[in-house]
Amino acid sequence: QLQLQESGPGLVKPSETLSLTCTVSGGSISSGTYYWGWIRQPPGKGLEWIGSIYYSGSTYYNRSLKSRVTISVDTSKNQFSLKVTSVTAADTAVYYCARHQGSGRMEFDYWGQGTLVTVSS
Amino acid sequence: QSALTQPASVSGSPGQSITISCTGTSSDVGGYNYVSWYQQHPGKAPKLMIYDVSNRPSGVSNRFSGSKSGNTASLTISGLQAEDEADYYCSSYTSSTTLVFGGGTKLTVL
Repeated sequence: QLQLQESGPGLVKPSETLSLTCTVSGGSISSGTYYWGWIRQPPGKGLEWIGSIYYSGSTYYNRSLKSRVTISVDTSKNQFSLKVTSVTAADTAVYYCARHQGSGRMEFDYWGQGTLVTVSS
Repeated sequence: QSALTQPASVSGSPGQSITISCTGTSSDVGGYNYVSWYQQHPGKAPKLMIYDVSNRPSGVSNRFSGSKSGNTASLTISGLQAEDEADYYCSSYTSSTTLVFGGGTKLTVL
């Protein structure tokens, strides 16, 4: 059974960089069939897609966040990561990692449990 | 990319059917058959209920169905049950090679 688990600091100071890692178990991130994405949800609000990556390193991002976001992959560790620079209180959210089929087939069928990141001094 | 438009809330009694709409544009919902629906219970990760407009993943009850007409997609839940009470989100692939979600709909089972 595929499992995804987010990890990283739960508290980040304004203007600093938010860094999260998603560890995939029960399957290979290099299978070639799937993309791996990040989605976030501010407290009490809706979902926002951040971006996705293929095991080769090919990425695509939400245009509203693209200037501040980097997603990378480490196939040797079966992990992919998210960095968001220059964070503000508006970046406070539960961050989820998840899997989807492809650049068009963007239905997320497996999700991590989510991790709350709070931006505060 | 603007969020897809969903009603903030819908409600229904056990056994009834309800429909949640999701309105976009010709650049997203209307242009592709890549609309998905998710169910989210409080404090939990979203769960995929419908993909490619009308397909159900294995294990999802056939009480859940999806459809699309023009720029509007719909999720219908028949035979409403107490456990269906949750937030529901639609999503669509877009012409910018990105994904956009709806604002979410809170379903209350009366």
